[in-house]
Amino acid sequence: AQSVTQPDARVTVSEGASLQLRCKYSYSGTPYLFWYVQYQRQGLQLLLKYYSGDPVVQGVNGFEAEFSKSDSSFHLRKASVHWSDSAVYFCAASRTGGYKVVFGSGTRLLVSP
Amino acid sequence: NAGVIQTPRHKVTGKGQEATLWCEPISGHSAVFWYRQTIVQGLEFLTYFRNQAPIDDSGMPKERFSAQMPNQSHSTLKIQSTQPQDSAVYLCASTISAEQFFGPGTRLTVL
Repeated sequence: AQSVTQPDARVTVSEGASLQLRCKYSYSGTPYLFWYVQYQRQGLQLLLKYYSGDPVVQGVNGFEAEFSKSDSSFHLRKASVHWSDSAVYFCAASRTGGYKVVFGSGTRLLVSP
Repeated sequence: NAGVIQTPRHKVTGKGQEATLWCEPISGHSAVFWYRQTIVQGLEFLTYFRNQAPIDDSGMPKERFSAQMPNQSHSTLKIQSTQPQDSAVYLCASTISAEQFFGPGTRLTVL
């Protein structure tokens, strides 16, 4: 069955530190991959997406993610986090050309001063 | 482009009452999705429409929940005889491909 796993429910980092949020997917073939962010009491917003090509994709606000086919992973990274990055981050995947998206359980990021 | 619009933003109902949630997708988007989000269950897929036709309702509770898309400009999610366990944030998203655009959600509280 198709699935997306985010193994870390909560991550705490200090402001200015680097960040990696982990995501593993289980899909036949290479799916489309996404990272979304949800700030408190808001809907989800797209950070970045991977369809094909360069495995490192750049997103908004300094976020990037790297696709690894061998590892079935799509980890999110940021070089230096800001307190405003505190939010819940969702990894998601969909079948190539498909509409339905499978979401991971989310990782709550807390950036401490 | 106003994005996906959901109304109301907050709704409080008494146990046993009906709740209707509205979603206006982004103009030109061909697919509309409904999700339910709770602390315990996280983000759950409910149902989706493509070109107004129901495609997949595998996440919808079989009783009391129904969704419609009577025209391309809006979709509704109706919950009959609401129960406290229906309390959640209901999110609507629209898309023209794979990337989904989410509304702000409707927070439903059933007393």
